[in-house]
Amino acid sequence: SQQGEEDPQALSIQEGENATMNCSYKTSINNLQWYRQNSGRGLVHLILIRSNEREKHSGRLRVTLDTSKKSSSLLITASRAADTASYFCATVSMFSGGYNKLIFGAGTRLAVHP
Amino acid sequence: EADIYQTPRYLVIGTGKKITLECSQTMGHDKMYWYQQDPGMELHLIHYSYGVNSTEKGDLSSESTVSRIRTEHFPLTLESARPSHTSQYLCASSEFGDRGLNEQFFGPGTRLTVL
Repeated sequence: SQQGEEDPQALSIQEGENATMNCSYKTSINNLQWYRQNSGRGLVHLILIRSNEREKHSGRLRVTLDTSKKSSSLLITASRAADTASYFCATVSMFSGGYNKLIFGAGTRLAVHP
Repeated sequence: EADIYQTPRYLVIGTGKKITLECSQTMGHDKMYWYQQDPGMELHLIHYSYGVNSTEKGDLSSESTVSRIRTEHFPLTLESARPSHTSQYLCASSEFGDRGLNEQFFGPGTRLTVL
């Protein structure tokens, strides 16, 4: 992987449960972003956390960032069947210049069963 | 929902054919990108553009070429398609704003199969 590891690779849960996905990266970053991809579709931006932030919330999403461990986690609370998708973290390197090059992880495939 | 379009959505062609994958955005974004993604795998950047008449190679070597004659249009061309080019191709765009802080907006993708 260009980025590092995302775990788990796949996660299967029941509706109402929480889903936690983890992402590790290799280089110093400017920010980290999480994206969602429904099967066979493009990616949709979910949330961005800057390198000087430790936690961020958006609706049922909670993202944490630990720059000392070069890792991030995405928590989806009270999951729904409609949350079934692949989730990718992507980092913007501090050294990427002015065009915010994203480095993607391999993704976590989440399945939420009714 | 982001206004970025890709055509065709699906393409099945024979080896040796020349193909062009279209990507257009109506958001006035200066930056545009092409990614290649195999099923269940990560995205790899193959081309990007800062603006009109600007094109650069990405991290993953690709035999494809791109052009940026208009801000809204960023087509990708394969002169002679081969089975190894079979993949999903995703186009994206972003604003030329604060360095590194802008989200990218993705099109729905083109799934290419070369027989």
